[in-house]
Amino acid sequence: KAGVTQTPRYLIKTRGQQVTLSCSPISGHRSVSWYQQTPGQGLQFLFEYFSETQRNKGNFPGRFSGRQFSNSRSEMNVSTLELGDSALYLCASSTFDPDAHEQYFGPGTRLTVT
Amino acid sequence: SQQGEEDPQALSIQEGENATMNCSYKTSINNLQWYRQNSGRGLVHLILIRSNEREKHSGRLRVTLDTSKKSSSLLITASRAADTASYFCATDSGGYQKVTFGTGTKLQVIP
Repeated sequence: KAGVTQTPRYLIKTRGQQVTLSCSPISGHRSVSWYQQTPGQGLQFLFEYFSETQRNKGNFPGRFSGRQFSNSRSEMNVSTLELGDSALYLCASSTFDPDAHEQYFGPGTRLTVT
Repeated sequence: SQQGEEDPQALSIQEGENATMNCSYKTSINNLQWYRQNSGRGLVHLILIRSNEREKHSGRLRVTLDTSKKSSSLLITASRAADTASYFCATDSGGYQKVTFGTGTKLQVIP
């Protein structure tokens, strides 16, 4: 099975711009979660989608949004970028068995905001 | 916010030695998982232990869970240079609750 893929792998944006990141989960996985990883804050949960519905949400401002399509692919969008949004954005997919939350991560998108 | 805190934050050992890292968490859990992350890349799932289990093995990995102390430990035996990575614990409360990651332990194995 192909693993989780994320595009693009690297991105440089300017403050005030917006960005869209994409994630394709493992075939058959219906749950997709997004995380932001920075040296200062560690791994922070952004949101989780299951069957096109946002099931959980972390403590991030409304500038961060996401969606999931019927084929389980997911996108996240960050509007009005700030310098502090520079981070590694990780996507993870799972079958979302409520009894076992094993997640499979993609390689991440490295976003740099200048 | 972080549910888990790993200890130590960083660990440096010689190849062949054992490495032990600990994770403490705050609220009741359903499962606890350990993940590995090589520098700046995605996380790789290592092992999952359920709240009703006390110990689990996978190859050179041994995980223990003490729910009364709200803590877990990961032991890597006979470490190799390839084990150099950051290790994270992750917890969930069951059902459809999100998975929350700890702060991580950075392990360096010196050849």
